[in-house]
Amino acid sequence: DTGVSQNPRHKITKRGQNVTFRCDPISEHNRLYWYRQTLGQGPEFLTYFQNEAQLEKSRLLSDRFSAERPKGSFSTLEIQRTEQGDSAMYLCASSFLADWNIQYFGAGTRLSVL
Amino acid sequence: GENVEQHPSTLSVQEGDSAVIKCTYSDSASNYFPWYKQELGKRPQLIIDIRSNVGEKKDQRIAVTLNKTAKHFSLHITETQPEDSAVYFCAALSGGSNYKLTFGKGTLLTVNP
Repeated sequence: DTGVSQNPRHKITKRGQNVTFRCDPISEHNRLYWYRQTLGQGPEFLTYFQNEAQLEKSRLLSDRFSAERPKGSFSTLEIQRTEQGDSAMYLCASSFLADWNIQYFGAGTRLSVL
Repeated sequence: GENVEQHPSTLSVQEGDSAVIKCTYSDSASNYFPWYKQELGKRPQLIIDIRSNVGEKKDQRIAVTLNKTAKHFSLHITETQPEDSAVYFCAALSGGSNYKLTFGKGTLLTVNP
């Protein structure tokens, strides 16, 4: 499968713990996006990278959240001191320079905070 | 910022019937409108999209229409099949940016055999 890959697919953690998710975009896709999806809602934009530069962050991304894309390829999203309200599906997407509009999504990481 | 409303939230049709899902957006500068299909536990998959310089686009049984004046766009699925059952999301690319998709809340489509 040459699509966007996310790991792990599921993560269960206790409140207060730190968690890290990984996203591998489609090869040669310059842009990488993180979205959050809660039950019964559409995905909500969190942040995006163009190559290794993080260019925009939503106000949904509190200071407990940090995202990196150190070499312009894969990205990580870390949540520190998790809260029950962080429970959601975290989706990653990527797009190519030739047509930035078209975003291809991964299957997501489902986080459950107990 | 952009706001996207989607209706209905659930839709049940008989196999072979047509299904229509409607969305409205608020930002008149939005210029790209994709539709995603998401099956349970799977990734959102782009099924069709439309840009603001056209009014209609069709791909086999799926079509999308866009009315820029009224700021609404619709997904039409004809000759529905059970495998069309999924959650469908509309989205708009926020005006003034070329990165942020704003999604509707989704429509759960059930096609009964």
